[in-house]
Amino acid sequence: GQSLEQPSEVTAVEGAIVQINCTYQTSGFYGLSWYQQHDGGAPTFLSYNALDGLEETGRFSSFLSRSDSYGYLLLQELQMKDSASYFCAGKVGGGGNKLTFGTGTQLKVEL
Amino acid sequence: GAVVSQHPSRVICKSGTSVKIECRSLDFQATTMFWYRQFPKQSLMLMATSNEGSKATYEQGVEKDKFLINHASLTLSTLTVTSAHPEDSSFYICSASPGQVVNTIYFGEGSWLTVV
Repeated sequence: GQSLEQPSEVTAVEGAIVQINCTYQTSGFYGLSWYQQHDGGAPTFLSYNALDGLEETGRFSSFLSRSDSYGYLLLQELQMKDSASYFCAGKVGGGGNKLTFGTGTQLKVEL
Repeated sequence: GAVVSQHPSRVICKSGTSVKIECRSLDFQATTMFWYRQFPKQSLMLMATSNEGSKATYEQGVEKDKFLINHASLTLSTLTVTSAHPEDSSFYICSASPGQVVNTIYFGEGSWLTVV
């Protein structure tokens, strides 16, 4: 099976940089994605790493090391609106964009 | 605007009754859609893969007779929770994509089900 582990909670102050880690044990998945979810809402796509290395999209960056089965999401210049849950997700083979989600990290941004 | 729409957004039903949740792709066709369930403060758990024109594929531990999935057209999948119990109360959410590219996976707005 697949499992993706994340820290349950992370707290940071506005303007800071925070890193959310994701370690996984799985086989046969194709890349690591990151999603943001506010309470009661749908997940919103943030970033995707198909290959090793860093992907940068505005204030968000994501990193993947397949040899280490590890990835992270980096959020810069934190804003209060970034307070949300963040999930890593592995795309599983078989077509159709089937995702296995990580355990999720609740990010709290404080003044 | 939303490219995948779910309805209803919130529903309350009595124990023992059935409730249907719809997932529509608004401006693309989707031969495959996915249904997830999320309990409060927990992650999204894949329940099943909805396949247009054929039977759904259920994840291990998900009762296919309880969670009926129908994907009768390329733009609509339905999830019916049959004989609902309070423990079925959860956030149900679907996803679909027009292709294989990961950043084009779109999620519906989700449906909150409360069974009383």
